[in-house]
Amino acid sequence: EAGVTQSPRYAVLQEGQAVSFWCDPISGHDTLYWYQQPRDQGPQLLVYFRDEAVIDNSQLPSDRFSAVRPKGTNSTLKIQSAKQGDTATYLCASSQTGASAETLYFGSGTRLTVL
Amino acid sequence: AQSVTQPDARVTVSEGASLQLRCKYSYFGTPYLFWYVQYPRQGLQLLLKYYPGDPVVQGVNGFEAEFSKSNSSFHLRKASVHWSDWAVYFCAVSMNTGGLSGKLTFGEGTQVTVIS
Repeated sequence: EAGVTQSPRYAVLQEGQAVSFWCDPISGHDTLYWYQQPRDQGPQLLVYFRDEAVIDNSQLPSDRFSAVRPKGTNSTLKIQSAKQGDTATYLCASSQTGASAETLYFGSGTRLTVL
Repeated sequence: AQSVTQPDARVTVSEGASLQLRCKYSYFGTPYLFWYVQYPRQGLQLLLKYYPGDPVVQGVNGFEAEFSKSNSSFHLRKASVHWSDWAVYFCAVSMNTGGLSGKLTFGEGTQVTVIS
């Protein structure tokens, strides 16, 4: 079974540039999460979907960040105008609704550096 | 609001020695607690999870954790550390009061270094 796939692995930007991160969850997993992990900190939830619907995006900086999952499978997280404070690893995770809904399967992440 | 505190940012342990990683949580309601491990250049992987019931839970690779409601703690233990346990360990609590989901609050993590 393939795991959660993320791309790119790394991104380096100047402030003000835009960037997109892509995630392919485990096949059959209906719930997809985006977490932000600043260096030497724990992951912090940005947004999560069940199928194509946004369930919670309360921690997503809505003025610059956006996330979509149009067909309920792959997902894209976009930063419109990056800031140095956005420097972090962006982790995608997926799970299946049911008895083990809280068991997350994480991708390896995209490490973003904003100069 | 719920929170998780891991008071030890770094722990160094000799191979073959025992290991304990501390985790304190703050949560209103019945906590569902987790330990995840992050190996170098990899994503996080679930080690074990606690649902209300037996306070001692067993995980993978010889890890276990003990829940204490009176101490608001969920400490992780391993009897004999192997060099492959070199990783960052995260404690987490489920934020969802209406059912289980992957909406987790994570601690800051503890870096474990194994020396020979």
